[in-house]
Order: sequence, then structure tokens, then C-alpha cells
Amino acid sequence: DAMVIQNPRYQVTQFGKPVTLSCSQTLNHNVMYWYQQKSSQAPKLLFHYYDKDFNNEADTPDNFQSRRPNTSFCFLDIRSPGLGDAAMYLCATSRTSTGYEQYFGPGTRLTVT
Amino acid sequence: AQKVTQAQTEISVVEKEDVTLDCVYETRDTTYYLFWYKQPPSGELVFLIRRNSFDEQNEISGRYSWNFQKSTSSFNFTITASQVVDSAVYFCALSEFGFYGNNRLAFGKGNQVVVIP
Repeated sequence: DAMVIQNPRYQVTQFGKPVTLSCSQTLNHNVMYWYQQKSSQAPKLLFHYYDKDFNNEADTPDNFQSRRPNTSFCFLDIRSPGLGDAAMYLCATSRTSTGYEQYFGPGTRLTVT
Repeated sequence: AQKVTQAQTEISVVEKEDVTLDCVYETRDTTYYLFWYKQPPSGELVFLIRRNSFDEQNEISGRYSWNFQKSTSSFNFTITASQVVDSAVYFCALSEFGFYGNNRLAFGKGNQVVVIP
């Protein structure tokens, strides 16, 4: 059974048109993360939630926002996608913040036209 | 400064050969955690192993084995008798305990392993 689910798997959006990616988990984990991964690169952390506490990485552009309405769901909003935002977006969860492994979803491949 | 170094970018092996992936890390923390993840072509990162800084025991899981040596700051990964299904990108990652206990993962650049039938 899938534990971290991401929808959609593939998303095409137009330059400047807002887009929302969703992530849900059945693990009841406290922490949820969003990563951006470009081709042939390691995942790059955008932000994470510890329960309801939001933690933004210093170099995450303002164009990226996130919402976590409850334990199970987390959303990534890209307000005005640019061509440079085309990437794989990975959602992950972990039990608590320190030292526990992160479990990743299958990712959403975002294309910006 | 890069905290996790995976020097070999792409490694090709013939099926049934062994392959070792090197991971060298850098940290000032005494408490830290090391991980290996596998990313097959489908894109999902699959957790393989976690090791904390106080546990230097090597581990074997099927055809996978890990060698953790604090003296050389290395956490190497060996696939024995490789199979085509092992073709993937493998990431080594470091999590430092830190004051606030955050679980930020510092990934290495990854090793692309290609197993040739």
C-alpha cells in the first residue's frame, strides 16, 4: 500500500499560471517535506512542516508556498511558475525531525510551457 | 562546503559483478545520521539504510552491505552480484542533530549505477 501519495504524477502548466501539487500520507508522521529535484541533481529541500510549524529554507524563492491543513495532507503552491521551475517535486515524511529516515512519494514531474 | 561527497558519478558494471559506492561525509557534530537512498528510473527515492554516529557496525541485507568507518568519515555501500534491477541512482545523505534537532538531509550528488546484462 502506498504510504506517501503524490498527485498528479505529471503536471503541465503554462508560464505564470499558478499550480498546486498535493501530497498525502498514511503514516501519521509529524514531519512533511517538499523537495525540488532537477535532472541529474540531488533533491533540494524547499521547506518542511513539523506538525503545523512551517520551516522555510533560506534560499527557497518566494514563488513557492506550502500549506498543511492537517496531518495527512500537504500542498505545494507555485504562484507564478517560470521555465526554471520545471523539475520533479518530491514529498517526503518522517516520524519526528531528528534522525529518522524520510519516506518519499513517487514525485510529480512539472513541465512549464 | 560540501558535506557529503560521492566521487564517482556514473559506474557501469556487468551483471553479477560487485560494485562499491563510496561516500565521504563531513560534520562537526558528534551525533549524526547517515542514510543511503536508491532512486530507480521511476523517480521515487527508496530508503535503504540508516546508521547513527554511535553505531559503527557494518550491516548486510541480502546482496547489499554497508561499511561505516568514523575514522575515515566514510559510509560505503556495496552491491554484491549486481542485477539489472540494481540500475539506479544511489544517494548518500547526512543528517546532523543540530540544536533544534532538525532533520535536514544533506545529499551527495549521487552515483548512477548501470548494470549491463
